Amino acid sequence: SQQGEEDPQALSIQEGENATMNCSYKTSINNLQWYRQNSGRGLVHLILIRSNEREKHSGRLRVTLDTSKKSSSLLITASRAADTASYFCATASGGSYIPTFGRGTSLIVHP
Amino acid sequence: GAGVSQSPSNKVTEKGKDVELRCDPISGHTALYWYRQSLGQGLEFLIYFQGNSAPDKSGLPSDRFSAERTGGSVSTLTIQRTQQEDSAVYLCASSSRDRGAYEQYFGPGTRLTVT
Repeated sequence: SQQGEEDPQALSIQEGENATMNCSYKTSINNLQWYRQNSGRGLVHLILIRSNEREKHSGRLRVTLDTSKKSSSLLITASRAADTASYFCATASGGSYIPTFGRGTSLIVHP
Repeated sequence: GAGVSQSPSNKVTEKGKDVELRCDPISGHTALYWYRQSLGQGLEFLIYFQGNSAPDKSGLPSDRFSAERTGGSVSTLTIQRTQQEDSAVYLCASSSRDRGAYEQYFGPGTRLTVT
């Protein structure tokens, strides 16, 4: 069963716009990660946020975590066509080193 | 340095045949994971190796699936008597299990098609 669920399932925007994706999860977590996947192949790690953190930035990426709502959001600012990909959140709970992935958000950025 | 590599990149096999998928993790990474991804779906955990510990096989869908990791490095995922529902992309990832280091490095995957 999926721990994290991304929303929306699909997102289509114009280049230059911001893209926001959300992830909700069910049980308490140690950390939450966001990954990007191009063309159904390997995933690339984007950012990790720990349960005691509320916000992290990396370049054009901004991730927030609200543990009271069991949710996280990934914001991509000033999107580019190259940002077109699927984005997944992954959560780790308890003493597990096995992250659980959601089904992903498919982002299309039109040039 | 080199990333995670997987071979073959594509494999087409007939139903009932056995297949072996290979993963070369990043040198020095003690943790290795296998996942399966069906079209348009998320990642389904299959098996996890950590150093010399017994692997976590809790995600293997049936006894037709097995995996081994030799010398704490290369891993092979074997699917016996393949079925059409085994068709998917099989992804391998490795990580350095330092304190708090959960970041995984993924290989490009093997696309398996069972006809």
